[in-house]
Amino acid sequence: EAQVTQNPRYLITVTGKKLTVTCSQNMNHEYMSWYRQDPGLGLRQIYYSMNVEVTDKGDVPEGYKVSRKEKRNFPLILESPSPNQTSLYFCASRGPDRVREQYFGPGTRLTVT
Amino acid sequence: AQSVSQHNHHVILSEAASLELGCNYSYGGTVNLFWYVQYPGQHLQLLLKYFSGDPLVKGIKGFEAEFIKSKFSFNLRKPSVQWSDTAEYFCAVTTNFGNEKLTFGTGTRLTIIP
Repeated sequence: EAQVTQNPRYLITVTGKKLTVTCSQNMNHEYMSWYRQDPGLGLRQIYYSMNVEVTDKGDVPEGYKVSRKEKRNFPLILESPSPNQTSLYFCASRGPDRVREQYFGPGTRLTVT
Repeated sequence: AQSVSQHNHHVILSEAASLELGCNYSYGGTVNLFWYVQYPGQHLQLLLKYFSGDPLVKGIKGFEAEFIKSKFSFNLRKPSVQWSDTAEYFCAVTTNFGNEKLTFGTGTRLTIIP
């Protein structure tokens, strides 16, 4: 089954404790992206990757890092999480055709206390 | 940069009522338009998309949307809603240049009363 998976689905952590949210897709997609969803703000792009070893900032990259060492994986790293990073995070991927939709993972609900 | 506006933040309807959710975008060039739905506790699913051709597009679950280029609009419609349509609906746009990010509207929460 074609899908995007994320782990963990739920995470409660404390300020300053480094964490990684994993994202994996099995559709051989080149384009992958991370979004955060906040009430009243919709979804905003954090980082994206056009291909392996090619990443760039989206609209709200502060406090986040990413890496793309292989095509299927695109982890999101919070080196020193803060409470304002409490949010719902979605990973997405898209195939080579520009008009195809992006496929979203199930989401990771992160709470930073 | 492109932006998307969804003016209805929360819509409450009775079952069998007709639905229209507004979506306007701002971008001077060619756009691809999408409606996504997020059921409670679930991830986003594509309802329908427009990239060219017939401006009236049909999607899943009886939804349709009409692209009106002169009004920069892509409104979502359904003639008769069901309780199971209760969800949050997001309009989104991409362009054919640069980062292929989806720019989302802030969403419309739809509540259907049985």
